[in-house]
Order: sequence, then structure tokens, then C-alpha cells
Amino acid sequence: EVQLVESGGGLVQPGGSLRLSCAASGFTFSSYWMSWVRQAPGKGLEWVANIKHDGSEEYYVDSAKGRFTISRDNAKNSLYLQMNSLRAEDTTVYYCARHTLTYFDYWGQGTLVTVSS
Amino acid sequence: QSALTQPPSASGSPGQSVTISCTGTSSNVGGYNYVSWYQQHPGKAPKLMIYEVSQRPSGVPDRFSGSKSGNTASLSVSGLQAEDEADYYCSSFAGSNNYVFGTGTKVTVL
Repeated sequence: EVQLVESGGGLVQPGGSLRLSCAASGFTFSSYWMSWVRQAPGKGLEWVANIKHDGSEEYYVDSAKGRFTISRDNAKNSLYLQMNSLRAEDTTVYYCARHTLTYFDYWGQGTLVTVSS
Repeated sequence: QSALTQPPSASGSPGQSVTISCTGTSSNVGGYNYVSWYQQHPGKAPKLMIYEVSQRPSGVPDRFSGSKSGNTASLSVSGLQAEDEADYYCSSFAGSNNYVFGTGTKVTVL
């Protein structure tokens, strides 16, 4: 059974940093692209970033470029999102999702990030 | 990329059908057959219901179907059941490894 479990969310001050993690199991992690998708409370979904199965390519939504870094450790079956210079508008639930380049087929339960002073 | 446009709400009685539209542009929905649909119950993670416009993943009932015409994709749910009450989001590949989601539609089973 495919499982994706996010962690690392919490309360952080504006301008601060946070690192999210996603532990994957139930599939060959190193064979899949992975993404982070976020959802503000009561709002819609927004794709944030994705990374190729071997980590050699990564892509970001414009609002994340220069502030967020997606990475992965295939030996640990883990996906990460380093978030710097956080803003109030980054307050959302962050989901990790397995990605087939045309759709997102499995999602974790999400981790909430709150940016507030 | 602007979000794809969906109606805020849709409803139907049990057993009836409901159709949700998802309107984009030629740079996303109209340019690729890579539209997908997700169901999200309150407090839960999204679940893939349709991929590549009209393909159903294993385990998704055939009551769910997808289609596309020009810059607008649609999700139809026939034989509505109580458990179909949820938020539904469309998504499209938008070129250059970018992805855009819809604004979301709340489906109510009356």
C-alpha cells in the first residue's frame, strides 16, 4: 500500500525557515517524480514544486522560486521542502504527492504551516 | 498561471447526475490531454478520480467520467450517492513542468 507521511509543519515567524519532510513507503520511491502541493485553509490547491526521480531536475511555481528548495533522499525514501523567507501567504497545508508528470496519483495527509508573529 | 475556473457549487439528489466544468486556456486545458480530477472530503487528502481527461484509476467507480472540449474539461458523476458529497478539483499540465489546479467545486447531495 502506498503511504506518504508528511512532517515538519508548525508555527514560524514571518521571514523564518522551516523544513518539511515526507516519508514514502509501499512503492519504489526512486522511480517516481514527487511533488509538493499546498492548500490554504478553505481554499483551493496550488502546485508548489516537483523533483525528478533521481533528483536531477526540479521545478517551482513562481511564488516559490528563490525561497523554497525541493530535494529527496532515495536511500531514505524521503522527500523534503526547505522553505525560507516565509510569508503570511505561505500559511497552508502542504501535501506531498507522487507524480506521474500528468497527474498526482497518491497524496499524503498534509502538514500545516502557519506563518505568524 | 491563473487557476482554472470551476463553478463554486453543484448539487443533485441521490441517483441523479451532476456535471462540473473546468475552464482554462489553450496554454493548459486546451493544449494538452492532461486534465485530472480530484475528490476531497473535509479534512482529508485529495484523491485522484480521473486522469488524462477520461481515464479512471483502478477502484474508482464507473459512475465518474471525464471529457474535454476545447479549453473546457468536465467531470460527470452519475447515480449520485451520499459519499460523493465532497469538493472536486480539476488540474491541468500547463507546459514547462508547470501545473495548475481549478478553483474547486463543492458537490452537495440533496
